[in-house]
Amino acid sequence: GESVGLHLPTLSVQEGDNSIINCAYSNSASDYFIWYKQESGKGPQFIIDIRSNMDKRQGQRVTVLLNKTVKHLSLQIAATQPGDSAVYFCADLRSNDYKLSFGAGTTVTVRA
Amino acid sequence: EAQVTQNPRYLITVTGKKLTVTCSQNMNHEYMSWYRQDPGLGLRQIYYSMNVEVTDKGDVPEGYKVSRKEKRNFPLILESPSPNQTSLYFCASSPLGQPSPLHFGNGTRLTVT
Repeated sequence: GESVGLHLPTLSVQEGDNSIINCAYSNSASDYFIWYKQESGKGPQFIIDIRSNMDKRQGQRVTVLLNKTVKHLSLQIAATQPGDSAVYFCADLRSNDYKLSFGAGTTVTVRA
Repeated sequence: EAQVTQNPRYLITVTGKKLTVTCSQNMNHEYMSWYRQDPGLGLRQIYYSMNVEVTDKGDVPEGYKVSRKEKRNFPLILESPSPNQTSLYFCASSPLGQPSPLHFGNGTRLTVT
């Protein structure tokens, strides 16, 4: 079946640098995309979302970019901090059946 | 505080012994869903519910049951657990209407021996 996938399972980043986490999706019917952060022992926490009619959306220290032409989604974290160490998931929601599909996740480790 | 509450957080059981994992949300959300999380496989949907008395199978429903008698509760039932159901389980909820992110509980780690 169609699913959302992440390019890299791990990412190591120097504290203070910017992080970029990538994700590819295959379902052209996907119209809503979400990034989640999961810390050890906790459930996924919402970071930022974007609808298919947008290319970019910014939050506090985070930016999500959507390229519908190549079905690519990315999460940029500015000035990465130790507290950003976690597993990051992208997900797509198909509004017609309200089903959320997740990628396998990228583990981000911040080096001091 | 708006939250999704799962119980128990940890559970160790034996093959064939029926168990129920409870899930409750206090946000009046219509949509609720159960996921299991396994290494290398990410989050996979087990069952979901669009409203009271409405439930549907997700991607991996075999061996599980759910019920939605009340809006706030969505228990996950394993009638005869097997070792391949050892996993980390998450309940989640969201409102319907405009697409919205799911709110997740903190998970239930189940071990079936």
